[in-house]
Amino acid sequence: QSALTQPRSVSGSPGQSVTISCTGTSSDVGGYNYVSWYQQYPGKAPKLMIYDVSKRPSGVPDRFSGSKSGNTASLTISGLQAEDEADYHCCSYAGRNTHVVFGGGTKVTVL
Amino acid sequence: EVQLVESGGGLVQPGESLGLACAASGFTFGNFWMSWVRQAPEKGLEWVANIKQDGSETRYVDSVKGRFTISRDNAQNSLYLQVNSLRVEDTAVYYCAREGFNSPLSFDFWGRGTLVTVSS
Repeated sequence: QSALTQPRSVSGSPGQSVTISCTGTSSDVGGYNYVSWYQQYPGKAPKLMIYDVSKRPSGVPDRFSGSKSGNTASLTISGLQAEDEADYHCCSYAGRNTHVVFGGGTKVTVL
Repeated sequence: EVQLVESGGGLVQPGESLGLACAASGFTFGNFWMSWVRQAPEKGLEWVANIKQDGSETRYVDSVKGRFTISRDNAQNSLYLQVNSLRVEDTAVYYCAREGFNSPLSFDFWGRGTLVTVSS
């Protein structure tokens, strides 16, 4: 069982918005502004999409946005495109001893 | 172009050992913390271990402490993970990942992974 809780799947039609939640505790998500999100296609390496809750690396479309409220972080994909169909993993810093914890991953399906 | 290429995975029996390696290129390897992250079949990601730029600090997830050892050779631009006393639950793809340039508490580049299968 993963430390952070994500829905197993979300879906949306092209052009719509979808939001993926990532729920932790005050010891991880709620305690630090160090949440990151990764996109992963089947059989491929993860790709960093969001870091420090809401910052986008160079090259990541601005359709991807991150936020946090209390112990729950969220990734929103606006203007959903077929190429966004992938697994998405959240990650949070959890203190010096634990370092980081991940969620179980969410499969995004574009209908 | 940043590249991370893992090697050394394979099929082993419980209790056996393997040495994983990650060859880095396209950046100044010695300037970054590096991590190993694993993914069991059909499961989420799990951080395994990391190591400071000069190798002076290492950290491990509790489940591998005393069995796994992370190390690096900055002259060879290489990261290593010695995995001993392997268990069935260690079966996973093991990824080498660079801790972020903009935020060290994220992973900005990943290798394609090497599969470790532990089975009798």
